[in-house]
Amino acid sequence: AQKITQTQPGMFVQEKEAVTLDCTYDTSDQSYGLFWYKQPSSGEMIFLIYQGSYDEQNATEGRYSLNFQKARKSANLVISASQLGDSAMYFCAPCLDGNNRLAFGKGNQVVVIP
Amino acid sequence: DVKVTQSSRYLVKRTGEKVFLECVQDMDHENMFWYRQDPGLGLRLIYFSYDVKMKEKGDIPEGYSVSREKKERFSLILESASTNQTSMYLCASSFWSGTGANVLTFGAGSRLTVL
Repeated sequence: AQKITQTQPGMFVQEKEAVTLDCTYDTSDQSYGLFWYKQPSSGEMIFLIYQGSYDEQNATEGRYSLNFQKARKSANLVISASQLGDSAMYFCAPCLDGNNRLAFGKGNQVVVIP
Repeated sequence: DVKVTQSSRYLVKRTGEKVFLECVQDMDHENMFWYRQDPGLGLRLIYFSYDVKMKEKGDIPEGYSVSREKKERFSLILESASTNQTSMYLCASSFWSGTGANVLTFGAGSRLTVL
């Protein structure tokens, strides 16, 4: 199994502030994409953002942006202007092994406080 | 919207029972996946399928089998349930997009307790 590291313990962030979630991974692949998913307490997994291997600019999707640094094998998610509904687990999922299947990290817990 | 429906939200079974977890998607996706999710371990891939009647082992296939007789349905089978299979099971489906993104759409999950 691929090694994906999300080491930050539960993070508390003030409403309207930004939060950065770290993700690093091991791979020898040169071509791969990377996803971030959100899982609120209700349990459903929600797709947030994707960046392809050859995308030159970092992906953005509303308040979500990806800081993708392939050379460092890192892909951090930035959530700007946090809202109470952002309280959830966030999973990094690089698409490794060359077969388009996703491997998930263990997740980062985010709690937004008013 | 793509819908991935898992037949049971909560199940309680006894050790040794045969358990079927059913998953149906309604958007003609080629790919389907079964993950299990445990606290502190994230999501781990059990089996996946890229087409009808085909299956591939994921990272933790031991103790599980799958069936994909129709494109829309992917079943996870626990031949003889054990207590260490108590977990949340997540089904997902996806298709190959033009950009190469394999975006998974997940079901709501099935929480299985084996006594």
